[in-house]
Amino acid sequence: GAVVSQHPSRVICKSGTSVKIECRSLDFQATTMFWYRQFPKQSLMLMATSNEGSKATYEQGVEKDKFLINHASLTLSTLTVTSAHPEDSSFYICSALPGSTNEKLFFGSGTQLSVL
Amino acid sequence: EDQVTQSPEALRLQEGESSSLNCSYTVSGLRGLFWYRQDPGKGPEFLFTLYSAGEEKEKERLKATLTKKESFLHITAPKPEDSATYLCAGDNTDKLIFGTGTRLQVFP
Repeated sequence: GAVVSQHPSRVICKSGTSVKIECRSLDFQATTMFWYRQFPKQSLMLMATSNEGSKATYEQGVEKDKFLINHASLTLSTLTVTSAHPEDSSFYICSALPGSTNEKLFFGSGTQLSVL
Repeated sequence: EDQVTQSPEALRLQEGESSSLNCSYTVSGLRGLFWYRQDPGKGPEFLFTLYSAGEEKEKERLKATLTKKESFLHITAPKPEDSATYLCAGDNTDKLIFGTGTRLQVFP
């Protein structure tokens, strides 16, 4: 099956610093990638939809200047958490679409961000 | 507002004790109902997609069914390795709307 690689799997940073998370589709081209956030024992909440070569579409309530998304190629999308604060600590997951529909959306393994 | 609700929140089963997980949905223009398995600290792993009421799909000890209002994930004779959080999600053509999941624990 299709593989989505997410890196790093875990990151600890100081408050005020920026953190970049990478999401790569390893064996397919993904015109669309999604970024989710998940708090303990809660559901995945969509943060933004990333389309290759264009600006990301952010969900209501998600600060686009804080969560910078870049989808520069058909196999790579990055999420940068800028000026991170403790409340940004969460599990971030990316997913990628090998086609034009949501069928078999493939997820990365997630990144646990802890901001001290 | 599109919504997906899963129950129970947590389920403890003895190995071999069959049960069902429920996913109720109100999703406009539902294009598909998805089931995923998520292990702790990992991303969701795709299990099934159901598209129309009456549809059923099976994979090993799991069987997913769909009606116009809800979906069930039936687990037959579960094993400890089936312990995980099971997520369902409705596709409203724009995005997937996820439920909060059912945390399943299977004890030997």
